[in-house]
Amino acid sequence: DAGVIQSPRHEVTEMGQEVTLRCKPISGHDYLFWYRQTMMRGLELLIYFNNNVPIDDSGMPEDRFSAKMPNASFSTLKIQPSEPRDSAVYFCASSFGTSGSGDQETQYFGPGTRLLVL
Amino acid sequence: EDKVVQSPLSLVVHEGDTVTLNCSYEVTNFRSLLWYKQEKKAPTFLFMLTSSGIEKKSGRLSSILDKKELFSILNITATQTGDSAVYLCGGSNYKLTFGKGTLLTVNP
Repeated sequence: DAGVIQSPRHEVTEMGQEVTLRCKPISGHDYLFWYRQTMMRGLELLIYFNNNVPIDDSGMPEDRFSAKMPNASFSTLKIQPSEPRDSAVYFCASSFGTSGSGDQETQYFGPGTRLLVL
Repeated sequence: EDKVVQSPLSLVVHEGDTVTLNCSYEVTNFRSLLWYKQEKKAPTFLFMLTSSGIEKKSGRLSSILDKKELFSILNITATQTGDSAVYLCGGSNYKLTFGKGTLLTVNP
């Protein structure tokens, strides 16, 4: 399996621009997670989906952030308008979730998108 | 609010030393405790622990969970320079709450 795929790997944009990050989870996984990692705050969960439905978006910083999962193999995280404080590495992760053994809850991370907002 | 605290925040050792990394958690409806290793890229999975007192091992790494005291430890024996990384601990109730990590540096 190719693992979790994210694009782009790096993004440099100017304040006020729209940014769209993309994620393809591991085939068969029914949970998808979006995280943000910064030096100051560490790795934070932004939102997660189960079977394409958003379950918990309490980690989304504000209305400028939105996420969608139109089908089982694709999700987007959008920031509009972007601000310099959004600069971070954004990770997508996926897992089987709760079916079967507990090990199926293990989350596998994509390579991340390094975002820099100038 | 769920919380995971790791200690120490950083650690410098010499090759061959044994290290113990600590993780305490307060997670509502706790299901499992996960350890990840992060080098200059994405976190990679090490262990998932769901039961108290049962040690999981993988080579020189091992981990154990205490659900009564709400903590876990990760042990690395005979450390190597390739073990240098940030080690992340996460408490799961379907979603993961991570600690800030322990930065381990292993010097030759």
